[in-house]
Amino acid sequence: DVKVTQSSRYLVKRTGEKVFLECVQDMDHENMFWYRQDPGLGLRLIYFSYDVKMKEKGDIPEGYSVSREKKERFSLILESASTNQTSMYLCASSFIQRRNTIYFGEGSWLTVV
Amino acid sequence: SQQGEEDPQALSIQEGENATMNCSYKTSINNLQWYRQNSGRGLVHLILIRSNEREKHSGRLRVTLDTSKKSSSLLITASRAADTASYFCATVSREGNKLVFGAGTILRVKS
Repeated sequence: DVKVTQSSRYLVKRTGEKVFLECVQDMDHENMFWYRQDPGLGLRLIYFSYDVKMKEKGDIPEGYSVSREKKERFSLILESASTNQTSMYLCASSFIQRRNTIYFGEGSWLTVV
Repeated sequence: SQQGEEDPQALSIQEGENATMNCSYKTSINNLQWYRQNSGRGLVHLILIRSNEREKHSGRLRVTLDTSKKSSSLLITASRAADTASYFCATVSREGNKLVFGAGTILRVKS
């Protein structure tokens, strides 16, 4: 079975802290994604990566950065956390997205206080 | 930006009844997918329908796609309490390579 593992399930951070959310997949997928999910807004794409060291901005990249040093790992970084970044963050991965489905991790609940 | 918009936002039915959820989208697509999310968990892929397909079945799931109306529907037959979840449609555009999700439908199946 495909496994997408997010390192932290629940985090509480203070405003201004640097936050790292880690994601690892074990299926040799080229594509990896970070979404955030908020009530009534569905999932919004923050960043995605289609290869090591490659990244593209999604719909809401402001306040976030990403790192993909290895194919299996995709990190989301909040340089200076703010309360409006309190959300559920979902990592996902896939092969060729046009025809294949994407696989999600269990999500990371981040609260910024 | 949201591409798919699900309707209704919330649906409550009795066990054994059928549940129908609709999704509308704005641009031409390569395929449309439906996902399920149990409360507080990640999303699980249910079914994918390509733009040249009109209907697809998987177990108790039936998906239709009308590209002329830019809409899709997900039918769950003989619903069970375990079907209680949020359901999302997501589209992949012809030009793009990313999945764009709607806001989802919350389905509650009462036993």
